[in-house]
Amino acid sequence: EPEVTQTPSHQVTQMGQEVILRCVPISNHLYFYWYRQILGQKVEFLVSFYNNEISEKSEIFDDQFSVERPDGSNFTLKIRSTKLEDSAMYFCASTRNRDGTEAFFGQGTRLTVV
Amino acid sequence: GESVGLHLPTLSVQEGDNSIINCAYSNSASDYFIWYKQESGKGPQFIIDIRSNMDKRQGQRVTVLLNKTVKHLSLQIAATQPGDSAVYFCAEKNNAGNMLTFGGGTRLMVKP
Repeated sequence: EPEVTQTPSHQVTQMGQEVILRCVPISNHLYFYWYRQILGQKVEFLVSFYNNEISEKSEIFDDQFSVERPDGSNFTLKIRSTKLEDSAMYFCASTRNRDGTEAFFGQGTRLTVV
Repeated sequence: GESVGLHLPTLSVQEGDNSIINCAYSNSASDYFIWYKQESGKGPQFIIDIRSNMDKRQGQRVTVLLNKTVKHLSLQIAATQPGDSAVYFCAEKNNAGNMLTFGGGTRLMVKP
């Protein structure tokens, strides 16, 4: 069964450092998303991406965040200068449908900022 | 420092019983709803979805009911099994965009 894969599963970084979280969406999906879940809290939308452009972004997705599809398979989230409050699980998702339905999520990357 | 998180409601059921997990939503413009299962340390796993032009949809052992009048969504799991133990989230989407808004989640515990 096709799945969204994310690497690494766990990333520890020092405050102020840049991190790149990687995702390989399902191969025939065209719409990509990043969500995050702070420990014990709700899953929150960060950004959606289609055709090499951001479609939507939330208030959380400020100038410290960026997304990129550097090649035909990877989809990355970069946090330029990490803060302690960026510690969370980051989930990548993808959909085949333009309306965002049937979103499939990866297993997540646990980011710990120390 | 002290961390503040969600206090998840918990539903405890006996193996083999049926489970009903409820979700209230607030946005009357939402036209699509989805249930996810999340096991510890894993990502949300798609269970079943429903569009606002329906009030019931069935899958394998699961049924989603939608009551738009009172903005209520429920997930019914038939013959609950230990492997169903997880946190269940509802999520909604409106036709203005494609982002999902997640609810707070319910922890389902299945007693053998």
